[in-house]
Amino acid sequence: GENVEQHPSTLSVQEGDSAVIKCTYSDSASNYFPWYKQELGKRPQLIIDIRSNVGEKKDQRIAVTLNKTAKHFSLHITETQPEDSAVYFCAASSGGQNFVFGPGTRLSVLP
Amino acid sequence: NAGVTQTPKFRILKIGQSMTLQCAQDMNHNYMYWYRQDPGMGLKLIYYSVGAGITDKGEVPNGYNVSRSTTEDFPLRLELAAPSQTSVYFCASKAGLSTDTQYFGPGTRLTVL
Repeated sequence: GENVEQHPSTLSVQEGDSAVIKCTYSDSASNYFPWYKQELGKRPQLIIDIRSNVGEKKDQRIAVTLNKTAKHFSLHITETQPEDSAVYFCAASSGGQNFVFGPGTRLSVLP
Repeated sequence: NAGVTQTPKFRILKIGQSMTLQCAQDMNHNYMYWYRQDPGMGLKLIYYSVGAGITDKGEVPNGYNVSRSTTEDFPLRLELAAPSQTSVYFCASKAGLSTDTQYFGPGTRLTVL
């Protein structure tokens, strides 16, 4: 089955700096890669996603890149702000019921 | 639309007790999921359903049961609660096979003592 790894497990950055979180997946059939942000005690919220026919997607300060050959995808957050502090999860899906989540990255943005 | 709703928000059970976690969605979504999230960890799929009357096991189904008698509701049943089932449980839904975005409920925090 699919296995998703995520690095780093914790990340601290200064406000205004960039943050990068990387995920790798094992199943070449995976074709959908969402990123979720989870604040303490809250539900996961989708922040950006990418499909396998696209190499990069951007939404304001957030971008995701996908390398299908290497089976990895990354989340890039620029100009970080304190409200970006949260746990971020990546996931991989081959469609239908199959969503496999990474273990999460705790991002702290220091003022 | 209320989206995905879950009840209760919190529950404490004694070992061996049973309970049902409720999940409902008003978006007419065919796919529904149950995940558990242990402290500091990612989400693990317990059960899922692709439509009324159809359910299947996920990665960690032991100790749980589900049913899907209607499109809207997808309850999760714990028959004999164990401390290992202490976790936060999230229900999620998505429209169908050709759509990808999952919508999560607010979660149920369950403690088994």
